[in-house]
Amino acid sequence: KAGVTQTPRYLIKTRGQQVTLSCSPISGHRSVSWYQQTPGQGLQFLFEYFSETQRNKGNFPGRFSGRQFSNSRSEMNVSTLELGDSALYLCASSYGQAQETQYFGPGTRLLVL
Amino acid sequence: EDQVTQSPEALRLQEGESSSLNCSYTVSGLRGLFWYRQDPGKGPEFLFTLYSAGEEKEKERLKATLTKKESFLHITAPKPEDSATYLCAVTGDSNSGYALNFGKGTSLLVTP
Repeated sequence: KAGVTQTPRYLIKTRGQQVTLSCSPISGHRSVSWYQQTPGQGLQFLFEYFSETQRNKGNFPGRFSGRQFSNSRSEMNVSTLELGDSALYLCASSYGQAQETQYFGPGTRLLVL
Repeated sequence: EDQVTQSPEALRLQEGESSSLNCSYTVSGLRGLFWYRQDPGKGPEFLFTLYSAGEEKEKERLKATLTKKESFLHITAPKPEDSATYLCAVTGDSNSGYALNFGKGTSLLVTP
């Protein structure tokens, strides 16, 4: 079974721009979660989608948003980029039941200049 | 608020020198405790899921255990390829079990 895939793998943007990241979950998985990883804060939960609905949201500003499509693929968008948004953005998928194991993709490395 | 603390932050072992990594947690209604391994520049790789105190799981040189307050990841006779950051995470009732709450990780270096 193919794993979680994320595109693009690397991205360089400037302050004020916006960015869209994409995630394709493991086949059959209906839940997609997004996490931000930085050296200072570690891994932090952004939001989780199941059947095209956001079920849970972390403590991030409204500039961070996401959506899920009917094929379970998900995108996250960050508008008005700030230097502090530079991070590794990770996507994880599962079948969608609570406390299930989440499987991570390789991540998208975003650098904001 | 849920909290996960991992110790030590960094650990250096000689090949073959067994040790344990600690994950202490405070969570309202533990739903699951997860161990992941992360290599530099890559996404976390799943290792174990534990659900209740007393549970143990093993995989090759790794063994994970769980009590009501903490989990241990025991590494027996490690090899250099075990060098990585080991992450512990929990899910609990506060986020309906859907969001992983991670510790900061233990960076393990195994030297030949």
